[in-house]
Amino acid sequence: AQSVTQPDIHITVSEGASLELRCNYSYGATPYLFWYVQSPGQGLQLLLKYFSGDTLVQGIKGFEAEFKRSQSSFNLRKPSVHWSDAAEYFCASSGGYNKLIFGAGTRLAVHP
Amino acid sequence: GAVVSQHPSWVICKSGTSVKIECRSLDFQATTMFWYRQFPKQSLMLMATSNEGSKATYEQGVEKDKFLINHASLTLSTLTVTSAHPEDSSFYICSAKGEGNTIYFGEGSWLTVV
Repeated sequence: AQSVTQPDIHITVSEGASLELRCNYSYGATPYLFWYVQSPGQGLQLLLKYFSGDTLVQGIKGFEAEFKRSQSSFNLRKPSVHWSDAAEYFCASSGGYNKLIFGAGTRLAVHP
Repeated sequence: GAVVSQHPSWVICKSGTSVKIECRSLDFQATTMFWYRQFPKQSLMLMATSNEGSKATYEQGVEKDKFLINHASLTLSTLTVTSAHPEDSSFYICSAKGEGNTIYFGEGSWLTVV
């Protein structure tokens, strides 16, 4: 069955530090992969997506993610975190039918 | 970019009543929309797939008679929570497929049943 795992429930980083949020997927073929961000009490905003092609994907707000088939991973990175990046981050996958399966989410806290 | 709008953003209803939540794709047509439920500090759980002009497809464990989904047009899907109970209180989010297979989410709707 298709599944998405985000091993880190909560991460705290200092402002200006680099960030990497982990995501692993389980699917027979190459899924469509997404990263979304959710601020408290609000909907989801798409940061980036991977369908095929270049395995390093650039997104909005300075985020990027790298698809690694050998590791079944799609980790999200940002070189320098801003205080406004504090939010909940969700990795999601789709088997091509647009039905997204979400990971449990990683809550990011940013220290000044 | 594509926008998906939900209404209402917040709703409080009495136990035993029904409440309807709308999901609209504002600048694109969506033959398929999706309804998710999110409990506080938890991830999103897919409830059902809403198909324009046909019956919704419900995920295992979701009561289709309790969560009525209607996809009357290419830009509107509605979720009606019937005979609501306090345990139905949750954050409900819809999504729709836009251009390039990108999934866009609505802002979500908070339902509180008292």
